[in-house]
Amino acid sequence: DGGITQSPKYLFRKEGQNVTLSCEQNLNHDAMYWYRQDPGQGLRLIYYSQIVNDFQKGDIAEGYSVSREKKESFPLTVTSAQKNPTAFYLCASSIDRGRGFSNQPQHFGDGTRLSIL
Amino acid sequence: GQQLNQSPQSMFIQEGEDVSMNCTSSSIFNTWLWYKQDPGEGPVLLIALYKAGELTSNGRLTAQFGITRKDSFLNISASIPSDVGIYFCAGLYYGGSQGNLIFGKGTKLSVKP
Repeated sequence: DGGITQSPKYLFRKEGQNVTLSCEQNLNHDAMYWYRQDPGQGLRLIYYSQIVNDFQKGDIAEGYSVSREKKESFPLTVTSAQKNPTAFYLCASSIDRGRGFSNQPQHFGDGTRLSIL
Repeated sequence: GQQLNQSPQSMFIQEGEDVSMNCTSSSIFNTWLWYKQDPGEGPVLLIALYKAGELTSNGRLTAQFGITRKDSFLNISASIPSDVGIYFCAGLYYGGSQGNLIFGKGTKLSVKP
């Protein structure tokens, strides 16, 4: 079945540590996204990528980094510079034809919950 | 920047009741999307709306794209226990050559005690 796989489901970070969240999709989608979700809040965009080897900052990119070396993969690194990393992180993908999110709805993974040790 | 106001924030349902929620904005959107999220999972797309005035159904769910393009509503008819969860609206607008998708804060549906 086609879909988006996020791993791990739960992740713990120590002080001063960088951690990387994995996101893989086999939908052959061009665009991939990372969102952060806090309790009682809507989803906020961290980074997105419309094409391999290119990515753009979203609304809350500080303290995060990404790479897009392959179409199927869009890992997110939460760096030690992110002082409040505890949240639920969601990866999404969509078909994209050069106009950002276009009109194609996004498909989401099941999320990674990151907590501080 | 663009903002979406989603209401109500939370509501309790009794099996068989109809449910209604909406999203409003002072800005115009090109597309409205409605998602449902179960605990510990990612949102799942329920309905996508592409034209002002469009009314679309998906089973017991009906959503409409407001004629002013500034709002959308989602109705659930004859609710059942598995309807509980958080419902998000999302609006897409174009700023220059770029599309931008923003989310409401969600409406949490719970079962009446």
